[in-house]
Parts: sequence; C-alpha cells; structure tokens
Amino acid sequence: AQKITQTQPGMFVQEKEAVTLDCTYDTSDQSYGLFWYKQPSSGEMIFLIYQGSYDEQNATEGRYSLNFQKARKSTNLVISASQLGDSAMYFCAMRSSGGSNYKLTFGKGTLLTVNP
Amino acid sequence: EPEVTQTPSHQVTQMGQEVILRCVPISNHLYFYWYRQILGQKVEFLVSFYNNEISEKSEIFDDQFSVERPDGSNFTLKIRSTKLEDSAMYFCASKFGRRDRVSTDTQYFGPGTRLTVL
Repeated sequence: AQKITQTQPGMFVQEKEAVTLDCTYDTSDQSYGLFWYKQPSSGEMIFLIYQGSYDEQNATEGRYSLNFQKARKSTNLVISASQLGDSAMYFCAMRSSGGSNYKLTFGKGTLLTVNP
Repeated sequence: EPEVTQTPSHQVTQMGQEVILRCVPISNHLYFYWYRQILGQKVEFLVSFYNNEISEKSEIFDDQFSVERPDGSNFTLKIRSTKLEDSAMYFCASKFGRRDRVSTDTQYFGPGTRLTVL
C-alpha cells in the first residue's frame, strides 16, 4: 500500500522569505508520480508541481521547486519569496502505477500561514 | 485554458435522499476520478473510470454510490440514499494519459461540490 506522510500540520513564514514543506512517501512501485496541490480557503485544489520518479532533475515551476531525494523517499516543496496569497493548505500526493486507474494518495496536508 | 467544471457548487439534502453530482472533465482527457474530503481531513480516493468502466473503487464506494459517463462529456456521481457521514466536499478530477510526463500524468481537479446531508 502507498502512503504519504506530511509531518508539519502547520507552518509559519514571513512574507518574502522561503519556506520548505516536508513530504515523505512509501511505495514499492518502480514508477510513480509525485504532486503538490494548493488548497486555499475557498476549497479548490490547485495543481502546483510534479516530479516523475525517473526524473533526474528536481522540478521547478516559478517560485515552486522540489527537493526530490529518491533514496530517502522524500519530495519537499520549497516556496521562495513567500507572498500573502500563498497562505493555504498544501497537499502532497502520489500517483500509483498499478492497473489502469492511477489514483492519487494524499497526505494530511500542511497549513501554511504567511505573515506580513 | 481548459478546466474541469462541477455543478452544483453546494448541495443540501435530507438524509435518505438521492443526489447526483455532475462534472465536465477536460475534453481530451481519458481518465476520470471522484475524490472526497471531509471537512478538515485529507482528500480520499473514491473511484476511477477509464474506457467507460470503473477501473478501481475504494472501500468508501459501496453499493450506494454509482458513476456514469452518459454522453461523452459529463461524468456523474450518484449517491442513492445519503447518510449524515456523506457530508463532504466532492472533487472530480481528470487526466489525459499514463505517461510519466507532467502534461499527461497530472490530474486536474474541479472546484468541488460541497454536499451537506441533514
């Protein structure tokens, strides 16, 4: 069974500073995908960034980047130059590779608060 | 930019009533999903749908739940006899394909339907 662990229920960061949100995963699959989603207070799930298990380079997408350490099974999200609008819940998720369903397994999330 | 849409945004129903939640996935996507999120908790997988049939369902997806893709564009989740514990946000998601590329592997979520069972 696949498992995603986010150990930080809440994080605080000052505006314009960088913050790292932790995520570790457990899987026996050789091929998998790792995702981060942002959920603001309005409730929608917004895709942020993706890392494939075979990608050799860490993914980057604007102010978002991943610190992907495959041997440690971790994929931490780094948000640089935090903005007030970054305050939200952040979920790490993993895509299974079995069969034809490719469902996502989510962690419990980290609530990020950006202080002015 | 194409997006997943869901209707209604909010649904209030009485226990025991049937509800149908509707989704329009992104038009060229091939894989479709329903997830739910009970308030304050993590997102949980309900069911996946590919090639006009269910490919996997979770333990939550019991006989009270069903899904349909009736006309090639809509994707619906039906709960036949709602219970109090069905109150949650229900998300529809879709993705294009199975390859390990961000363009085809990413599931895009709709804005959700908040279901309240009284």
